[in-house]
Amino acid sequence: GQQVMQIPQYQHVQEGEDFTTYCNSSTTLSNIQWYKQRPGGHPVFLIQLVKSGEVKKQKRLTFQFGEAKKNSSLHITATQTTDVGTYFCAGLPSNDYKLSFGAGTTVTVRA
Amino acid sequence: SAVISQKPSRDICQRGTSLTIQCQVDSQVTMMFWYRQQPGQSLTLIATANQGSEATYESGFVIDKFPISRPNLTFSTLTVSNMSPEDSSIYLCSVYGQDKMNDYEQYFGPGTRLTVT
Repeated sequence: GQQVMQIPQYQHVQEGEDFTTYCNSSTTLSNIQWYKQRPGGHPVFLIQLVKSGEVKKQKRLTFQFGEAKKNSSLHITATQTTDVGTYFCAGLPSNDYKLSFGAGTTVTVRA
Repeated sequence: SAVISQKPSRDICQRGTSLTIQCQVDSQVTMMFWYRQQPGQSLTLIATANQGSEATYESGFVIDKFPISRPNLTFSTLTVSNMSPEDSSIYLCSVYGQDKMNDYEQYFGPGTRLTVT
């Protein structure tokens, strides 16, 4: 079946530094979505990428979708304590309606 | 957008018993999804619930263990039957919706935190 791999599993970041989390799918995706789950909370939608090579920005967050529509990345600049949480990518296969979630990257921030 | 509520928000249950989780959406939706999130893990899809038909279960999940009801387009229940400690998880209800950017996103309920002792 379709699988989405996400690395790293944990990211410990000094406040003010940048970091990137990566997702890779075993199959071509119709779109990829990113979610953030705060500690004790539920996943909240951040963004959706649909087009090959697409790049979207939300303030300090930059999302990319690969040319082959099989990989994606989330880059956060100048990390803040509000960035703490787990970031999940979720891929929608071209022939399916069900999202396949990556394992998530749990981010902690050192002040 | 969609606003989802779940009941109960948390429960502690004894092994061998069953718990029914309710999910209410503020708009009519065709598909409702039930996910399980074990401690420190990602989300795993249990089943897709369509109104008027049997739920579609993912590999590793069976109707006898996780019976689902979908009586109308805004409501669904998931029952965790004959519970064991391995069923301790967060159970999340989810639906597709369209946001202001016309992106289709999944909206999640607040989750039901289940502990089985």
